[in-house]
Amino acid sequence: GNSVTQMEGPVTLSEEAFLTINCTYTATGYPSLFWYVQYPGEGLQLLLKATKADDKGSNKGFEATYRKETTSFHLEKGSVQVSDSAVYFCALTRNQAGTALIFGKGTTLSVSS
Amino acid sequence: EAGVAQSPRYKIIEKRQSVAFWCNPISGHATLYWYQQILGQGPKLLIQFQNNGVVDDSQLPKDRFSAERLKGVDSTLKIQPAKLEDSAVYLCASSSRLAGHNEQFFGPGTRLTVL
Repeated sequence: GNSVTQMEGPVTLSEEAFLTINCTYTATGYPSLFWYVQYPGEGLQLLLKATKADDKGSNKGFEATYRKETTSFHLEKGSVQVSDSAVYFCALTRNQAGTALIFGKGTTLSVSS
Repeated sequence: EAGVAQSPRYKIIEKRQSVAFWCNPISGHATLYWYQQILGQGPKLLIQFQNNGVVDDSQLPKDRFSAERLKGVDSTLKIQPAKLEDSAVYLCASSSRLAGHNEQFFGPGTRLTVL
């Protein structure tokens, strides 16, 4: 079946450090891939997405590239800020439009100044 | 544009009691999802509606959970009777076919504690 595996947290970094959160997936066909973020006290919101192989999603300095050969969608940011402290979820949908998201367990990021 | 609305935000009940959650999706969004997020885990789909029809309820514990979307807009999710393991955040999300369903918009969630 379809599933998402992301690195265990928490991840603790100093401000301006480089961030990588690993995400790998198992899926049939050609899923769309997403990173959602949940800031403290707020709801889930889409951070970035990629809908086909080799696509790069980017937003707010975060990037992730859809790698079909390694079934991965790792999240990266060159220089994190305290305001990036949140829980990050990797997710996929099957290639049919309007299907539900399948989420990883989430990775908590804590950035200190 | 107003976001997805949910109420209540918090609910505490005792096991075997009943509880209901309400969701109002973004205007015009035909697809509505209910997810359950247990502490420390990612959200898991409970049920998906397309207008007022059920698309996927394969992971809904139908002996105790029910959901409806009578007029294709608002939705309610009910648990009767609740168990301790139902303690979780219940998230409602919506998406639009016209936008290609490429993004699901989530509400703030209802945090349920079952004692």
